[in-house]
This record gives sequence, C-alpha cells and structure tokens, in this order.
Amino acid sequence: DAGVTQSPTHLIKTRGQQVTLRCSPKSGHDTVSWYQQALGQGPQFIFQYYEEEERQRGNFPDRFSGHQFPNYSSELNVNALLLGDSALYLCASTDGLAGGGEQFFGPGTRLTVL
Amino acid sequence: DAKTTQPNSMESNEEEPVHLPCNHSTISGTDYIHWYRQLPSQGPEYVIHGLTSNVNNRMASLAIAEDRKSSTLILHRATLRDAAVYYCILVNTDKLIFGTGTRLQVFP
Repeated sequence: DAGVTQSPTHLIKTRGQQVTLRCSPKSGHDTVSWYQQALGQGPQFIFQYYEEEERQRGNFPDRFSGHQFPNYSSELNVNALLLGDSALYLCASTDGLAGGGEQFFGPGTRLTVL
Repeated sequence: DAKTTQPNSMESNEEEPVHLPCNHSTISGTDYIHWYRQLPSQGPEYVIHGLTSNVNNRMASLAIAEDRKSSTLILHRATLRDAAVYYCILVNTDKLIFGTGTRLQVFP
C-alpha cells in the first residue's frame, strides 16, 4: 500500500496564474481533505470531499476549489494566485464511515508563488 | 470549533518519559481527542486518539481526565526520532483544526 500520494512535490508559479494539485488517497479510503500550511504555522483546513461532493469547507476564498473523482482521488485548484498562497499543501485521507478515526497525510506539495 | 491549548515547547532527554499536556475546556460530548505529530519536512503523522478512556498503542499512551477537559500524551521512552511538533486536536466531523502545537526537543 503506497499510502497517500501527492503530485507534484514542488511547484513554482507567478502571481495571477492558476495551479492544480493532485492527491491519491490510501487504498480503501473514500474521504479526502486538503490543508494549507504556511511556514512556521499549523495546517489550516481548506475543504473535504466525500462521495465526489464537498462536505465541509474552511475559511478559504472561492479561488480555492476542488474535485473528487469516482476513484476517490482529488484535485485542489487555486486561481489568481497571490504571494500569500505560497505554502505546503497537504492532502489527508480517511474512511468516511469510520468517523473520528485516524487520518493519513501525504508528504505535501510545496507551492511557491513569485 | 473547539480549541486546545498546549505549551509552545518542551524538552526531554533521550530514553526519559515525556508528558505532553493539552487543555480543552470547551470539549463537547462527541469530540474525539486526537494527537498528531509532524517531523521536519514531512506531513503530519497520526499518533493516537481517544474519546473517554485512556488509550495505549505502540507509539504512545493517552491519558484523558475524568471531566475530559484535559489530556496528556505520554511517550514512555523518548528517542531522537521523537523530536517533532505535537498537535492536540478535537475532532468530531473528520475535520482537523490544528493549533500551534508543542515543539518537542530531545537531547542525547
């Protein structure tokens, strides 16, 4: 089992561009959450997908959007990039039916906006 | 979202026990208490979680106060590999709300 995988590992973009980050959940998991971690801070919840629908959302603008595919993999899209969007983007997966259980995190995608 | 309070940093010597405290006075009856840790340049890693009773696993023990307003993560014998930021999180909808955590330093 490969666990949670994310791509790409690193990414450099310029202000105003758009970016798509990808996540494959751990085998058997159907729920995917995305987090943003700025340098020196704890991760901040962006949103969560279950059964291809956005189930919960944190305090992030509409520039942040996502998608979940039938195979449970997920994408995070960020439009009109700002310098402040530079961060480590983490994906986590869990079994949505388990409730309150362990979440598995990927290694993250390091996004730098110039 | 229910919040937790942790010390910013703690230190330990290798092979000594470490007790990491967490206060969560606004916890609700359905909130699970989760602990995650994050090693440098890695994503967070699950450590342990519980609801009301104390819990043990291969990594650590979790002691939960009877009123559930506080908990303690116990590492029985700290190793250099345990140096990380430890997050105490209340969870009830699979949404993790991270605070700033406790940075644990382990000295040889």
